[in-house]
Amino acid sequence: KNQVEQSPQSLIILEGKNCTLQCNYTVSPFSNLRWYKQDTGRGPVSLTIMTFSENTKSNGRYTATLDADTKQSSLHITASQLSDSASYICVVSADNNNDMRFGAGTRLTVKP
Amino acid sequence: KAGVTQTPRYLIKTRGQQVTLSCSPISGHRSVSWYQQTPGQGLQFLFEYFSETQRNKGNFPGRFSGRQFSNSRSEMNVSTLELGDSALYLCASSLARGRFGGTQYFGPGTRLTVL
Repeated sequence: KNQVEQSPQSLIILEGKNCTLQCNYTVSPFSNLRWYKQDTGRGPVSLTIMTFSENTKSNGRYTATLDADTKQSSLHITASQLSDSASYICVVSADNNNDMRFGAGTRLTVKP
Repeated sequence: KAGVTQTPRYLIKTRGQQVTLSCSPISGHRSVSWYQQTPGQGLQFLFEYFSETQRNKGNFPGRFSGRQFSNSRSEMNVSTLELGDSALYLCASSLARGRFGGTQYFGPGTRLTVL
């Protein structure tokens, strides 16, 4: 079983709308959680990195939240744009090793 | 500052052949990690190199190997290619290693197709 589960698997929204992507993890002990955006055919690009003590971090229209107690994170995208169409990947690192566990990603499509 | 570069961008090989992929990290970055990405498995960690030494290894067979040079450039090699090795191979660099390494910057990837 994957230690990082993302939902939904795919999502279609209209341009200008907001959306929220979910990431649940069982990685323990927790070190940090990262969200990446990956455009089709390109490498992932880092959006946010959060440690245990951080519960919100923003990067422009992207806001990530972290609840370390429930082991859940969300990525909220505000006023979506066509260029937001991509896969969003959640990555969690454990505190006792250098492994990074990847979620399968959420495929977001923004339509005009 | 130039980003992470990977060569070649596309590669077609046949079963049984071997392949070498190259990655040049961002200047000043000493950690290079390799990942395999397939539609069915998503991103999977292959290995991490730091200061010319392999520091961490994922769950891949010994056919997958790599090395890092003194200028931090890295290569990965896959021998005796199998059809299932068809994937996008991504390289990422960071200042330091592992979970304390800070932001990882990914290259565009090498698309390997095994026929």
